[in-house]
Amino acid sequence: QVQLVQSGAEVKKPGASLKISCKAFEYTFTTYYMHWVRQAPGQGLEWMGIINPSGGSTSYAQKFQGRVTMTRDTSTSTVYMELSSLRSEDTAVYYCAGQRSGSLSFDSWGQGTLVTVSS
Amino acid sequence: EIVLTQSPGTLSLSPGERATLSCRASQSVSSNFLAWYQQKPGQAPRLLIYGASSRATGIPDRFSGSGSGTDFTLTISRLEPEDFAVYYCQHYGSSLTFGQGTKLEI
Repeated sequence: QVQLVQSGAEVKKPGASLKISCKAFEYTFTTYYMHWVRQAPGQGLEWMGIINPSGGSTSYAQKFQGRVTMTRDTSTSTVYMELSSLRSEDTAVYYCAGQRSGSLSFDSWGQGTLVTVSS
Repeated sequence: EIVLTQSPGTLSLSPGERATLSCRASQSVSSNFLAWYQQKPGQAPRLLIYGASSRATGIPDRFSGSGSGTDFTLTISRLEPEDFAVYYCQHYGSSLTFGQGTKLEI
């Protein structure tokens, strides 16, 4: 497992953009694929996409195509998730989750970042 | 996209009892791609089971997973007070999906 530490809570206005960070500790950064998952208040888990820290390649859920961008900085072992054109329905807790190379599940999770979108 | 349907939505049991949670896929999936997570209020999810039946590191043996094809089950043999939480199944596909969750309550 790897320790993942996310940036703090944010309040945004509709139409704004959001960028959350997720820093990894105590492992080789490029051996874990990183995912982003969100959870609206009282709701279930929703997968947003994946980034391969090794080469930076990404794949996004169709729902977020065109609005989400995932990047990474290998020098600081940090991945980022940017979401644009925010609306009230984007109010949620956003998690980064780590998938060890060769596995098919998330064995590590960040603590979550609460994002509130409100005018 | 694979749709996962979990049942029941809420399961009310007592400590010491056996819990059986179901996850049904909209089409047949490989067991390798099926995982279960536990989430407690205010916490991130925690991996319990991967590959449909393998326990993750540190997970007690009262948790077990089974199933194949479209029907998968998470069983908790003897409920402990700390097991009351929400449980999600997950399919790792080209578009990864989660079930809607089963709330296990006292």
